[in-house]
Amino acid sequence: GAGVSQSPSNKVTEKGKDVELRCDPISGHTALYWYRQSLGQGLEFLIYFQGNSAPDKSGLPSDRFSAERTGGSVSTLTIQRTQQEDSAVYLCASSLGDNDGYTFGSGTRLTVV
Amino acid sequence: AQTVTQSQPEMSVQEAETVTLSCTYDTSENNYYLFWYKQPPSRQMILVIRQEAYKQQNATENRFSVNFQKAAKSFSLKISDSQLGDTAMYFCAFDINSGYALNFGKGTSLLVTP
Repeated sequence: GAGVSQSPSNKVTEKGKDVELRCDPISGHTALYWYRQSLGQGLEFLIYFQGNSAPDKSGLPSDRFSAERTGGSVSTLTIQRTQQEDSAVYLCASSLGDNDGYTFGSGTRLTVV
Repeated sequence: AQTVTQSQPEMSVQEAETVTLSCTYDTSENNYYLFWYKQPPSRQMILVIRQEAYKQQNATENRFSVNFQKAAKSFSLKISDSQLGDTAMYFCAFDINSGYALNFGKGTSLLVTP
């Protein structure tokens, strides 16, 4: 597609429920990144996929968070047993992996009530 | 570990004036890349400008330019002839090489007033 697409754009969920956030990167971009942006904070790195390599999961805050990338394209970030502190904007980005910078999606605003 | 610091949480500038946003970083690497991203209220992060550490010439994109001081590990963004549409959060980011994710500062909220 022309840009990075994220869905849903907004999600309200009850504490304890599981949620899935989707990211559809730019076609041909081998690298895909998930970041979390809490209110008034910068971007917190979560996970990074590059081609067929094992993902860099070093930023995932707990084992309730997981992500997969199927076929080197679409990625899903799953948060299990959501907590109120998970409320944030989740941003996805993709790139050619060549230090030219990322293209970001518009994010998913997650609210846990 | 690499850190990026933006010491100005909020700034304000009048339309048509010039404003400079500061960014410092800490790294032991010699070759790396620096970026400024803009995030308007729409949430869409937009790449504003990119600088390669091994290039001494400061990057420029239209009204946006950087002052890159490698020895001081400083990477400030200058916005000339500020426009109302420049109102946004601005994030400084650092990338040591392919294979690592961008490391972002906490951002500076810029308000351009009429």
